[in-house]
Amino acid sequence: NAGVTQTPKFQVLKTGQSMTLQCAQDMNHEYMSWYRQDPGMGLRLIHYSVGAGITDQGEVPNGYNVSRSTTEDFPLRLLSAAPSQTSVYFCASSPPGSYGYTFGSGTRLTVV
Amino acid sequence: RKEVEQDPGPFNVPEGATVAFNCTYSNSASQSFFWYRQDCRKEPKLLMSVYSSGNEDGRFTAQLNRASQYISLLIRDSKLSDSATYLCVVWNNNDMRFGAGTRLTVKP
Repeated sequence: NAGVTQTPKFQVLKTGQSMTLQCAQDMNHEYMSWYRQDPGMGLRLIHYSVGAGITDQGEVPNGYNVSRSTTEDFPLRLLSAAPSQTSVYFCASSPPGSYGYTFGSGTRLTVV
Repeated sequence: RKEVEQDPGPFNVPEGATVAFNCTYSNSASQSFFWYRQDCRKEPKLLMSVYSSGNEDGRFTAQLNRASQYISLLIRDSKLSDSATYLCVVWNNNDMRFGAGTRLTVKP
């Protein structure tokens, strides 16, 4: 049982490049979300999904897109990377309700 | 004002000490509350949920005061392995808000 798997673990992008951060879970969790973590800021919610085909914006959605075509996968797309998007990105999932999240191991992204 | 506020610390305590962390939240409609632990350069992991009646898990005790919108975590008999950042987390309707964390270092 792998839990929540994020790829890649590290990435360096040039300003203006696009990329997709991958997130997959094998626990059949309906709820999935993306957070970014910056020093002194705590984790901030980017986008979330309560099930396949349903997504919604979180606290800091600008510059990011998501889709949820299957229960297992929830990719995060950066269309045109900016230095302000340098951060550590975490994907999380949970079963219905408020049972607490399982996080992936994170993606450390640097935009130069 | 942040939705979830924590003292960033750091708290430096000797092994065996008792240490308490506090957290306040601004959204009175918040429904569920948690403490997460995050080790350096690792992902957050659920430490414990927090219930209005207070709850205990071994050396860890969590308390919630809804009237004051205040959450606490007490760690007794601190171990070296307790060194980490402790995140206060508040959940409301699919929106999980995290505090910036309190850093704890337990020293021999």
